[in-house]
Amino acid sequence: DAGVTQSPTHLIKTRGQQVTLRCSPKSGHDTVSWYQQALGQGPQFIFQYYEEEERQRGNFPDRFSGHQFPNYSSELNVNALLLGDSALYLCASSSYRGTNEKLFFGSGTQLSVL
Amino acid sequence: AQSVTQLGSHVSVSEGALVLLRCNYSSSVPPYLFWYVQYPNQGLQLLLKYTSAATLVKGINGFEAEFKKSETSFHLTKPSAHMSDAAEYFCAVSEYNFNKFYFGSGTKLNVKP
Repeated sequence: DAGVTQSPTHLIKTRGQQVTLRCSPKSGHDTVSWYQQALGQGPQFIFQYYEEEERQRGNFPDRFSGHQFPNYSSELNVNALLLGDSALYLCASSSYRGTNEKLFFGSGTQLSVL
Repeated sequence: AQSVTQLGSHVSVSEGALVLLRCNYSSSVPPYLFWYVQYPNQGLQLLLKYTSAATLVKGINGFEAEFKKSETSFHLTKPSAHMSDAAEYFCAVSEYNFNKFYFGSGTKLNVKP
């Protein structure tokens, strides 16, 4: 049973570029959340997707957008990259109808903005 | 608003010694509280959770935490540290619908031989 998978594992971009990160949830899960973990900090909630809709959003600018596909996989898009966007981006999946409080995390995508 | 404060960004213990990692929360409603562990180059793994059942919660790998409402605390303990416990530990609080988790800034545990 595959857990949460994220791609790519590492990414280097320059300021002003756009980036897309991908996440496949754990089998049987239908809810995907994205978190940003800056160096030395705890993860910060970006947004959550369920039934292909953004259900809740954290305190992130509109440059951060997402999408959920019918197969429950998800993408995180960041436009007009800033140096401060350099961080580990974590995807977490859960089951809305099951134990929704238990998040399963992927290993993350390390984004470096130069 | 909900928040979590973890006291001590680094904790160092000897192998076999007691592990105590501190977490205090701020919540306007009964909280749901969690401890996660993160090993290098890995995602976060759930250690244990408190969701308004027993106040003493037992988790994996011998860890446990006690919910103390009067102290707004949810400290993580383990009676005897093992080298494999070296990792970063995050305390988190969730809203009632589990849609959003608020994480602390983390405590890195070092275990000395």
